[in-house]
Amino acid sequence: RKEVEQDPGPFNVPEGATVAFNCTYSNSASQSFFWYRQDCRKEPKLLMSVYSSGNEDGRFTAQLNRASQYISLLIRDSKLSDSATYLCVVKADSGGGADGLTFGKGTHLIIQP
Amino acid sequence: EPEVTQTPSHQVTQMGQEVILRCVPISNHLYFYWYRQILGQKVEFLVSFYNNEISEKSEIFDDQFSVERPDGSNFTLKIRSTKLEDSAMYFCASSVGSSYNSPLHFGNGTRLTVT
Repeated sequence: RKEVEQDPGPFNVPEGATVAFNCTYSNSASQSFFWYRQDCRKEPKLLMSVYSSGNEDGRFTAQLNRASQYISLLIRDSKLSDSATYLCVVKADSGGGADGLTFGKGTHLIIQP
Repeated sequence: EPEVTQTPSHQVTQMGQEVILRCVPISNHLYFYWYRQILGQKVEFLVSFYNNEISEKSEIFDDQFSVERPDGSNFTLKIRSTKLEDSAMYFCASSVGSSYNSPLHFGNGTRLTVT
């Protein structure tokens, strides 16, 4: 059974701080990894894809550890607008088919002024 | 920026009734998806659709559910006989391709309430 596990939080973090959270996935056939952001009662929005070598997009850094089957997200210099639920998402990519994404339940982040 | 659009934003229906949720994917996208999110729960995959047929479906997507692309722009999800537990937010999504570099773009959802 495909599972993606995340610490639900909430993480209460002062503005300007650095925060990191991880997620683990159980399906070793997972090939694609993403972090999505979801605001309350809104649709998930892609934050960034996660590449094997790790990647950075502004204040956000994502890392992938295939051996341990976990993905991390680091947010530096956190802003009030970063308050949201961060969804760890994996995809199996069985080849040719449009495989569905498997979502974690999300980590709730609250940035405090 | 092109968007996935969904209608209606909120649908209230009585148990046992049929509902059709509508989506207009981004025009040059080829892969289409439906997901649902029960309040307070995680986003769950229902079905993917490519080349006018279902590509993959989850165990949630039973005989009560069907999808259709009736014309070149719409992608619909039909629930034949709604149950109370079908109450959820339903998200449509589309992507250009199916690989890792073709992320999904989600619509803003239809909130289905079954009474």
